[in-house]
Amino acid sequence: QLQLQESGPGLVKPSETLSLTCAVSGGSITSTTYYWGWIRQAPGKGLEWIGSIYYSGTTYYNPSLKSRVTISVDTSKDQFSLNLNSVTAADTAVYYCATDDIVRADFDYWGQGTLVTVSS
Amino acid sequence: SSELTQDPAVSVALGQTVRITCQGDSLRRNYASWYQKKPGQAPVLVISGKNNRPSGIPDRFSGSTSGNTASLTITGAQAEDEADYYCNSRDSSGNHRAIFGGGTKLTVL
Repeated sequence: QLQLQESGPGLVKPSETLSLTCAVSGGSITSTTYYWGWIRQAPGKGLEWIGSIYYSGTTYYNPSLKSRVTISVDTSKDQFSLNLNSVTAADTAVYYCATDDIVRADFDYWGQGTLVTVSS
Repeated sequence: SSELTQDPAVSVALGQTVRITCQGDSLRRNYASWYQKKPGQAPVLVISGKNNRPSGIPDRFSGSTSGNTASLTITGAQAEDEADYYCNSRDSSGNHRAIFGGGTKLTVL
């Protein structure tokens, strides 16, 4: 059973970079079944896909965030990371990592989520 | 198109059947998946693909698609089904862009 766990600072200052890591256990990040995705939910808002990465490093980003987002993968550690730069209060959200099934195109395993607040 | 549209809120009497819909051009080419989201919890995949329920999801949850509309049906809604429900699909551009609907708040009366 795959398990995902987000980690990173819960508070980020405006204009700085939000950095989160997702550790994968119970399976390998080099699986050919999945991309590895980041999704967020701002307070009172819906789910928003941020982007996904394949273990080879191929990335796909939400066009609305593409200019500020970098997702990377570390296969030696079975983890992948999210960097979102130039953050504002609008980036305050619960950030989730999740498996992004290549064939079924769904997100079936999710981390518990981590709240990131952007505030000075 | 890059939009999936859901009704903001739906209610159902306990034990009755409710349908939650999701409209979008991408659904003409791609199946929708459906997620149950409760406060303070991670989303849970309840329907995937044509009408597949992951292990552990009760069989009162089912999915269907017609044209540009996907539907999640709960037959015999239970109190624990009260939650927000989100649809999701790839967009129709072929660029591996995932899109979510705005969510439907389900109230079980």
